[in-house]
Amino acid sequence: DAMVIQNPRYQVTQFGKPVTLSCSQTLNHNVMYWYQQKSSQAPKLLFHYYDKDFNNEADTPDNFQSRRPNTSFCFLDIRSPGLGDAAMYLCATSRELFRDGTDTQYFGPGTRLTVL
Amino acid sequence: KQEVTQIPAALSVPEGENLVLNCSFTDSAIYNLQWFRQDPGKGLTSLLLIQSSQREQTSGRLNASLDKSSGRSTLYIAASQPGDSATYLCAVRPHDYKLSFGAGTTVTVRA
Repeated sequence: DAMVIQNPRYQVTQFGKPVTLSCSQTLNHNVMYWYQQKSSQAPKLLFHYYDKDFNNEADTPDNFQSRRPNTSFCFLDIRSPGLGDAAMYLCATSRELFRDGTDTQYFGPGTRLTVL
Repeated sequence: KQEVTQIPAALSVPEGENLVLNCSFTDSAIYNLQWFRQDPGKGLTSLLLIQSSQREQTSGRLNASLDKSSGRSTLYIAASQPGDSATYLCAVRPHDYKLSFGAGTTVTVRA
C-alpha cells in the first residue's frame, strides 16, 4: 500500500560527511519534491523535479543536491552536512505542477537526519 | 508572498471536547487549502482539501471551513480522542505549484 517510501527513516552522519537520502514512489507521478522541516517549523521546499527537469528554490543552499534517475526514485544529497542541516526531510509527489484545485501532494514518512 | 499563520501553537483538551484549530493566510488568491496531520517524527497525512470554490469539507468527525475573503480556515474535530493527539498543519496552494505551510498546532487530548 505504501505510495511514497523514504529510506532510511533515521540517518546519523558526522559533520562534513556526505549523506544521501532516498525516496521512491509507486504512484507514477510526474513531480517529486524535497522539503526540509526543522523542529516546530513549517516544511520548507528545497527543490522539485518535473519528470527530469530540476527546479531549485532560490534560497536552497548549494550544499543540497538532488538526482532523479527514473520516474520512481529521487535522491537528496547533502555534500557537507552542518549542524544546522539536522532536520526531518520530507519527500512528496504530485501528478502535475499546474493542475486544478483538486490536486494534492502525497508525502512520505520522512527521514530524520542527525548531524554529530 | 503568502504568509500562513496558525494560532495557537499548542492546545491541550480533555477527551470528548470539540477541537477548533485556526489557520489564517494573507493572500486570498489560492487554488486550494489543505489540512494535514503529522504524528511525532512522521510525515504528513492529508486530512481534508478544500478547493477555492468550496466553503467546507467534511470527513467523519472532521470538518474544515474556508473563508477566502477573510483569509481564514478552521478545522473542527468533534468529540476528541487521545488518538487525535498530533500536530495539525494547514497549507495553501496559490496559483502555482508551491504549498505555503503554517507551522502547525500541536494538539494533546488528555484521557
